[in-house]
Amino acid sequence: SQKIEQNSEALNIQEGKTATLTCNYTNYSPAYLQWYRQDPGRGPVFLLLIRENEKEKRKERLKVTFDTTLKQSLFHITASQPADSATYLCALDRGSTLGRLYFGRGTQLTVWP
Amino acid sequence: EAGVAQSPRYKIIEKRQSVAFWCNPISGHATLYWYQQILGQGPKLLIQFQNNGVVDDSQLPKDRFSAERLKGVDSTLKIQPAKLEDSAVYLCASSPRTRKNEKLFFGSGTQLSVL
Repeated sequence: SQKIEQNSEALNIQEGKTATLTCNYTNYSPAYLQWYRQDPGRGPVFLLLIRENEKEKRKERLKVTFDTTLKQSLFHITASQPADSATYLCALDRGSTLGRLYFGRGTQLTVWP
Repeated sequence: EAGVAQSPRYKIIEKRQSVAFWCNPISGHATLYWYQQILGQGPKLLIQFQNNGVVDDSQLPKDRFSAERLKGVDSTLKIQPAKLEDSAVYLCASSPRTRKNEKLFFGSGTQLSVL
């Protein structure tokens, strides 16, 4: 079965710095990879999607990279703000017709002033 | 646009009791998912519906869990009888599913505590 590892359970950084979160996976390579944000007591909210043939995707202060050789995705938040504090989940999709998403356990990011 | 609605927000029951959760997806979304999220873990897919048909229930503990999506709109997830290890947040999600790998829209979930 697919195994997904997200670097540390918690990441603490100072406001203004760049946060880098890691998502590593084993076994088969996903056709797509998605990143979600989850706040306490809320459901995950979609942030970005990257396909296996894309190296990088950007959206405002967010950037995602996808290295199928390393079986790794990196998620960057530049100029981080306290409002970015949340748990970030990566999710993999094999691209099959079922489209089942496998989620990692997430990394809890805290941005302090 | 209204989001995915779930109720109740919280539920506390004793083990061996039964419980039901309700979900109303975003209007027009063909695909509906139920996920279980245990504290400190990522969401785990329990069942996926396409309209009113089940397309994936391979991870649903069918001896105690059941789900239905009558008329292809809202859905109910039931646990009977509940066990202590069922304590988790139950998330409902939906997507239009007009093409592969669309993003999912999640509700706020139902937090279940089994005592």
